[in-house]
Amino acid sequence: AQRVTQPEKLLSVFKGAPVELKCNYSYSGSPELFWYVQYSRQRLQLLLRHISRESIKGFTADLNKGETSFHLKKPFAQEEDSAMYYCARKVYNTDKLIFGTGTRLQVFP
Amino acid sequence: GAGVSQSPSNKVTEKGKDVELRCDPISGHTALYWYRQSLGQGLEFLIYFQGNSAPDKSGLPSDRFSAERTGGSVSTLTIQRTQQEDSAVYLCASSVGPLTEAFFGQGTRLTVV
Repeated sequence: AQRVTQPEKLLSVFKGAPVELKCNYSYSGSPELFWYVQYSRQRLQLLLRHISRESIKGFTADLNKGETSFHLKKPFAQEEDSAMYYCARKVYNTDKLIFGTGTRLQVFP
Repeated sequence: GAGVSQSPSNKVTEKGKDVELRCDPISGHTALYWYRQSLGQGLEFLIYFQGNSAPDKSGLPSDRFSAERTGGSVSTLTIQRTQQEDSAVYLCASSVGPLTEAFFGQGTRLTVV
């Protein structure tokens, strides 16, 4: 089965510290990967997708096929980054979108 | 409305009763997804629709769960004979198609007492 694994349930850092939220996927050729974020009392929303190679709110994520990873990084965390982060992938050749179990990021002042 | 709409926002029901959860996707979005979000379980895939058909129902937890979509638009998730373990937030999302963003509704919080 094609899976997405987020090994950390909780990640706590201080403001200004670097952040790396881990995501690993089961191999399936060319995966379509996404990061979604859910801020407190808000809807789940797209943060970024690997095909765009973009940086959103200072976050970047690089697809590493050798390590089958798509870790989310930010060099200097801000308090407003505190949220639940989900890594997701499209199942090959379908529109099915599956998510990891999520990582809660807490950024302390 | 412009976004994905779910109703009701909250539902409290007695164990053993049936419930229906509704999702109105964004107009023109062909793909529609149902997920269950519970503490410690993350976002659990239930079912998705492409148009009115459901290519993958593998995530439905039991035969008490069913879903349908009509007119390529509104979808209803039905849970029969609810159990306490069904308590969770049920999320709906829609997207235009592959490689595009999935837009989520605000969810229905189901509590089975």
